[in-house]
Amino acid sequence: QSVLTQPPSVSAAPGQKVTISCSGSSSNIEKNYVSWYQQLPGTAPKLLIYENYKRPSGIPDRFSGSKSGTSATLGITGLQTGDEADYYCGAWDSSLSAWVFGGGTKLTVL
Amino acid sequence: QVQLQESGPALVKPSETLSLTCTVSGASISTYYWSWIRQPPGKGLEWIGYIYNSGTTNYNPSLKSRVTISVDTSKNHFSLKLNSVTAADTAVYFCVRGGSAADYWGQGTLVTVSS
Repeated sequence: QSVLTQPPSVSAAPGQKVTISCSGSSSNIEKNYVSWYQQLPGTAPKLLIYENYKRPSGIPDRFSGSKSGTSATLGITGLQTGDEADYYCGAWDSSLSAWVFGGGTKLTVL
Repeated sequence: QVQLQESGPALVKPSETLSLTCTVSGASISTYYWSWIRQPPGKGLEWIGYIYNSGTTNYNPSLKSRVTISVDTSKNHFSLKLNSVTAADTAVYFCVRGGSAADYWGQGTLVTVSS
């Protein structure tokens, strides 16, 4: 059981928009920064979003992040087949004194 | 260009110690936080622990009694030791730069615990 809760799967058609939620608590998401990762099959995760909404260099603005209270959301617009991957949220948990992750969400682009 | 590369045995026997090294290029090991994260086959990510400031560590409470992370600044690498392993420790082990967000990842190495 992951500390952060994500839907197991989401799907949408090419060109459409999808959002992936990440639910936590006052000791992690509400108090600390959230980051998001994309893991393509057979590869290491890649940082998409850090400090709730910032994008590293090279990440297209189709990817966006937001946070409100104890939840965070990853948004992806203009979906492409190459976006099919597992997506993970992560945050520091001040009560556990540990970096925690969501269980991951599998994105299918139909 | 920052690069991380894990190395170590792919097979470890139950009750023995898993040992991995992460060699870093393009960044000083004395700067930044450096973490180990693992991913059991078909499952999600689990943070193991981090090291920073060339020696200060913090470990996942669920693994703390079995984990040691250390650094060798002369070789610009950091290492993981996980003792008393069981089949539940079978996973891909990633070394990353960061302590609560990871901007650079190694490719990962699969470690199987089996006799």
